[in-house]
Amino acid sequence: EAGVAQSPRYKIIEKRQSVAFWCNPISGHATLYWYQQILGQGPKLLIQFQNNGVVDDSQLPKDRFSAERLKGVDSTLKIQPAKLEDSAVYLCASSPPMPGLGRVHEQFFGPGTRLTVL
Amino acid sequence: LAKTTQPISMDSYEGQEVNITCSHNNIATNDYITWYQQFPSQGPRFIIQGYKTKVTNEVASLFIPADRKSSTLSLPRVSLSDTAVYYCLVAGMDSSYKLIFGSGTRLLVRP
Repeated sequence: EAGVAQSPRYKIIEKRQSVAFWCNPISGHATLYWYQQILGQGPKLLIQFQNNGVVDDSQLPKDRFSAERLKGVDSTLKIQPAKLEDSAVYLCASSPPMPGLGRVHEQFFGPGTRLTVL
Repeated sequence: LAKTTQPISMDSYEGQEVNITCSHNNIATNDYITWYQQFPSQGPRFIIQGYKTKVTNEVASLFIPADRKSSTLSLPRVSLSDTAVYYCLVAGMDSSYKLIFGSGTRLLVRP
């Protein structure tokens, strides 16, 4: 079974520029998450999709971040304009519609995109 | 959402058993306890989940006392490849519950 795919793996931009990240979840996974992980910290949820609808975007800085999940499959996360403090790893995760026994909170994470804002 | 507290770091040697304890004093009746593992340059990976008593799988064991205010992740006979960050999370029984990751415990396994 293929895992969660993300691209690019690395991105370096200057502040005030724009950047977009792409995620393709595991086939059949209805729920998709975007997390931001700053160095030395745990991942922080930015947005959660159920199919192509937003379930939770309470921690998404909506003045500069946007995300979409067209057709309920892959997703893009965009930052415009980027700030120095946006330097982080952006992780995409997905979870199945019916979790396995004893695995209610199992999310499958991609490798992440490391963003450096100069 | 219950807050968790766990040691910032731990050291061990190959072949030893490692126990990482997590405190969650405000855990709610319908909360599960879940542990994730994260290797450098990778996303976190689900290890184990439990509600009470003991859960064991091929990777680890999870011990939860009766009051559920803490839990202990036990890794038997660690190897160098177990060097990672381990996160303890508490969340409600619905799979749509938001997972809140703390800073985790950095485990270093030495030869």
